[in-house]
Amino acid sequence: AQTVTQSQPEMSVQEAETVTLSCTYDTSESDYYLFWYKQPPSRQMILVIRQEAYKQQNATENRFSVNFQKAAKSFSLKISDSQLGDAAMYFCAYRSGSQGNLIFGKGTKLSVKP
Amino acid sequence: GAVVSQHPSWVICKSGTSVKIECRSLDFQATTMFWYRQFPKQSLMLMATSNEGSKATYEQGVEKDKFLINHASLTLSTLTVTSAHPEDSSFYICSARDRRAGPYEQYFGPGTRLTVT
Repeated sequence: AQTVTQSQPEMSVQEAETVTLSCTYDTSESDYYLFWYKQPPSRQMILVIRQEAYKQQNATENRFSVNFQKAAKSFSLKISDSQLGDAAMYFCAYRSGSQGNLIFGKGTKLSVKP
Repeated sequence: GAVVSQHPSWVICKSGTSVKIECRSLDFQATTMFWYRQFPKQSLMLMATSNEGSKATYEQGVEKDKFLINHASLTLSTLTVTSAHPEDSSFYICSARDRRAGPYEQYFGPGTRLTVT
């Protein structure tokens, strides 16, 4: 079975600085997708970024980028120029291309200090 | 972007009663819908997956007779918590996917907070 591990329960970053959230996963599949979701206090799940396993290039969305290391099964999220609005729970998620269910990590609570 | 709504956003019910939560895809047809449960400060746990017109597939450990899921149309899925008890108090989130939009597009509702007294 696939698993997703987020080893950092909490992280803190100074406003305007850069922070990296870690995620590792375990799978024997070759066709899968990886995601980072943000859950602010409103608890609405917001897709931050996605990565297709078959793509070698790391995904980027404005201030958010990932470091996808397929061989190491690592998928970290880098937030540049952190803003107060980035404070939230961040969940790493895995989805099998064939099954389609999202498997979530336990989450990392990110605090942004002004 | 695609929008998923949930109703109600917060419900309080007495122990032993049943409560229904609705999940609607507002601007797309949801061929698959997912129901998650989230306890405070924890991650989302998948309860069941439902495809329109088919019976829901429940995850191991989820009581299908207690959590009734109906996906009667391409825009509506309902979760009914039957004979609710305080331990059923939780945050329930639905998610919907339109396969025609691509293999990875899955949209989340805002969630429903259930409190059983």
